[in-house]
Amino acid sequence: DAKTTQPPSMDCAEGRAANLPCNHSTISGNEYVYWYRQIHSQGPQYIIHGLKNNETNEMASLIITEDRKSSTLILPHATLRDTAVYYCIVRVMSNDYKLSFGAGTTVTVRA
Amino acid sequence: EPEVTQTPSHQVTQMGQEVILRCVPISNHLYFYWYRQILGQKVEFLVSFYNNEISEKSEIFDDQFSVERPDGSNFTLKIRSTKLEDSAMYFCASSEFLAGSTDTQYFGPGTRLTVL
Repeated sequence: DAKTTQPPSMDCAEGRAANLPCNHSTISGNEYVYWYRQIHSQGPQYIIHGLKNNETNEMASLIITEDRKSSTLILPHATLRDTAVYYCIVRVMSNDYKLSFGAGTTVTVRA
Repeated sequence: EPEVTQTPSHQVTQMGQEVILRCVPISNHLYFYWYRQILGQKVEFLVSFYNNEISEKSEIFDDQFSVERPDGSNFTLKIRSTKLEDSAMYFCASSEFLAGSTDTQYFGPGTRLTVL
């Protein structure tokens, strides 16, 4: 799986959009970008994933650059409950494939 | 919304004792996983399981570890003789089989194992 690079931490104001960058410059054509988050040692929570098109769901939006070498997770209106560690993971699309977690970005949403 | 459940939430054991961590995956899922996270460290893959067989395991998953699906709903991780360094959060995950596509893994809340 391609390696990802994320900033170690970032702050965000409550009610504002949080934009979380991820660099995956060695991504292959058959690899997807997944985002999970972990709130205070709870189980990782799936957020969103995508291949090359931008994706949106009820939690977030995922913007992937045209060359697929980087992506941005957008939390449109951050709340205090969005304070968590966010993981960007690149993985091959297949069933039965382990997730390789890095250190992620610690996002702190401030009132 | 269906979710993965794990019991117990916290297990304290003495070094050398056997422990069994239990998970109930989401009901229509066919792939099961165990991960662990030592305090302050990354989430690490341990093992994946499909069709009553281990499909992949990490180097962490040595002979002290075993997994089992004893019935149609439970998935267990057994540590035969616990060591101090086995103290960690253990997360179970499951995913649905989607022919020609992929899965999304959904995680349980974890079991905190403390080995004294």
